[in-house]
Amino acid sequence: RKEVEQDPGPFNVPEGATVAFNCTYSNSASQSFFWYRQDCRKEPKLLMSVYSSGNEDGRFTAQLNRASQYISLLIRDSKLSDSATYLCKSGNQFYFGTGTSLTVIP
Amino acid sequence: DAGVIQSPRHEVTEMGQEVTLRCKPISGHDYLFWYRQTMMRGLELLIYFNNNVPIDDSGMPEDRFSAKMPNASFSTLKIQPSEPRDSAVYFCASSPTLRDSGRAGYNEQFFGPGTRLTVL
Repeated sequence: RKEVEQDPGPFNVPEGATVAFNCTYSNSASQSFFWYRQDCRKEPKLLMSVYSSGNEDGRFTAQLNRASQYISLLIRDSKLSDSATYLCKSGNQFYFGTGTSLTVIP
Repeated sequence: DAGVIQSPRHEVTEMGQEVTLRCKPISGHDYLFWYRQTMMRGLELLIYFNNNVPIDDSGMPEDRFSAKMPNASFSTLKIQPSEPRDSAVYFCASSPTLRDSGRAGYNEQFFGPGTRLTVL
């Protein structure tokens, strides 16, 4: 059952770059979405939630495109510490995408 | 305040043995989830409870897996008998019930540190 789909990557970007990930969802009734971050050998933790068109928090911007049924996560000015796996989830389901791996290179 | 607590953190067992994973959710959270994570399949939902009642166990792979939640502060996931393909990281997560009716969807899930299971 694939409620959400993600490009697994890996994305390897240089420090300071801008990178974006997409996550497509199948349930058009979904009204909220979440991006989680998972560091290596750690548990997922909430990064951002999206309830309407978008949400911005510092270098991170999450956007929702209902017409095309996808959410995106944009990271500006990438830091080495941004290296992690980013998981998306539809709010009214409990299923996560497979995650997108990001490595920021010095 | 303590987060979600899981035990053991690591478990190594032999094929055929019974394995019991334990979870204490965050106090006051109404939802409890069990997930399994592998490189091949990602983070899979196994089962979730609401107010100690199992709501959806369709993700439980087979009858060898069972989960219980005898009270609001404790849940177990049992595998009997265990097989090498059960090797994975098992996460427990809890979530409060959404109170704000103006917003659809569910709240943030808080994950425990996971149990890394290796079945030889």
